Amino acid sequence: SQQGEEDPQALSIQEGENATMNCSYKTSINNLQWYRQNSGRGLVHLILIRSNEREKHSGRLRVTLDTSKKSSSLLITASRAADTASYFCATDTTDSWGKLQFGAGTQVVVTP
Amino acid sequence: NAGVTQTPKFQVLKTGQSMTLQCAQDMNHEYMSWYRQDPGMGLRLIHYSVGAGITDQGEVPNGYNVSRSTTEDFPLRLLSAAPSQTSVYFCASNLQRSSFEAFFGQGTRLTVV
Repeated sequence: SQQGEEDPQALSIQEGENATMNCSYKTSINNLQWYRQNSGRGLVHLILIRSNEREKHSGRLRVTLDTSKKSSSLLITASRAADTASYFCATDTTDSWGKLQFGAGTQVVVTP
Repeated sequence: NAGVTQTPKFQVLKTGQSMTLQCAQDMNHEYMSWYRQDPGMGLRLIHYSVGAGITDQGEVPNGYNVSRSTTEDFPLRLLSAAPSQTSVYFCASNLQRSSFEAFFGQGTRLTVV
């Protein structure tokens, strides 16, 4: 079974708007990561947040982690057409470090 | 830097055929993994390796073999292809034990008919 579940499954926004997607997981984690996948390409790492961190920023990305709710959110501010992609959360857990478990992803479409 | 290189990019197999998907990385990463990606299911871990000579099973290992004779290479072997193995396969390597940022190859799209 999947450790991470993203919500929503799909998101359509206009350029300049913010995009928010959520990830929920089932068991205690070491780290949670977000990846982007452009159509037909491999995944690209965006940001990693450790279990003892609550918020992290990288450019237009903001990630939060709430371990009490076993959830994380990814916010992309001021979206661009180039942000059109699928976004996945991935976790590694305390009893399986290094073995990433991915959710099903959120498809984001940013229209000009 | 080439990063993680997968070959071939596309492959069509007949049921029962065997083949090897190649993966090579030039970043001297200890950790390498194979995932398959199916529609609506995200990525699922097939096998992984924490270093040359050491491999372990992931979530969906049946029908696949791996070996790791060098740090650079981590081939995935399909022993007897089945239509259920139609998928996109990704190889990934990890930077170091304390940081699990994974670098992915471009994928191999495999169709088994």
